[in-house]
Amino acid sequence: GAVVSQHPSWVICKSGTSVKIECRSLDFQATTMFWYRQFPKQSLMLMATSNEGSKATYEQGVEKDKFLINHASLTLSTLTVTSAHPEDSSFYICSAPETEAFFGQGTRLTVV
Amino acid sequence: QQQVKQSPQSLIVQKGGISIINCAYENTAFDYFPWYQQFPGKGPALLIAIRPDVSEKKEGRFTISFNKSAKQFSLHIMDSQPGDSATYFCAARLNQAGTALIFGKGTTLSVSS
Repeated sequence: GAVVSQHPSWVICKSGTSVKIECRSLDFQATTMFWYRQFPKQSLMLMATSNEGSKATYEQGVEKDKFLINHASLTLSTLTVTSAHPEDSSFYICSAPETEAFFGQGTRLTVV
Repeated sequence: QQQVKQSPQSLIVQKGGISIINCAYENTAFDYFPWYQQFPGKGPALLIAIRPDVSEKKEGRFTISFNKSAKQFSLHIMDSQPGDSATYFCAARLNQAGTALIFGKGTTLSVSS
């Protein structure tokens, strides 16, 4: 069946640097991609919705200049955490709305 | 109105027992109610889902019970196994195309052998 592939699965970066997370839809075209953040032992919180060819829609309280989302094609959406800080350390997960089974494997970001 | 309230926060069940996790919602515009299973370090995986026109759905050992009038739904895991030990999330989605899921806070299930 269709799959969303997320990369990398984990990343460690230094404070102040930027990190890019990729989410690819395999075998189907995703016009929309959701990006969630999950802190340890907490639930998934929607950060933003990316739409192919247009600007992403961010949830209240999410800094759009810090979390850059690009959806340049129907198979790729990216999340870039700019000037990362330790408080950005979290589990980031993407999903496509075509069917809710399509969650990425998640990316564990650790900022040191 | 947008919240999905999940309980309990944690649950310990003996092997072979029944695990029950409950969720409640307020917004009657929700039209899709999935349950997810998540293991540490992994993304959530869809377990089973139900729509409000059905009161119960069963898939193997997993059953969703849905009470539309009470705005509640629950997950029952029959014959719970140690491999079922994971975090379970209920969720809900509005009946609008392209809207994201709203998740409950999660329940950590431990099945003791």
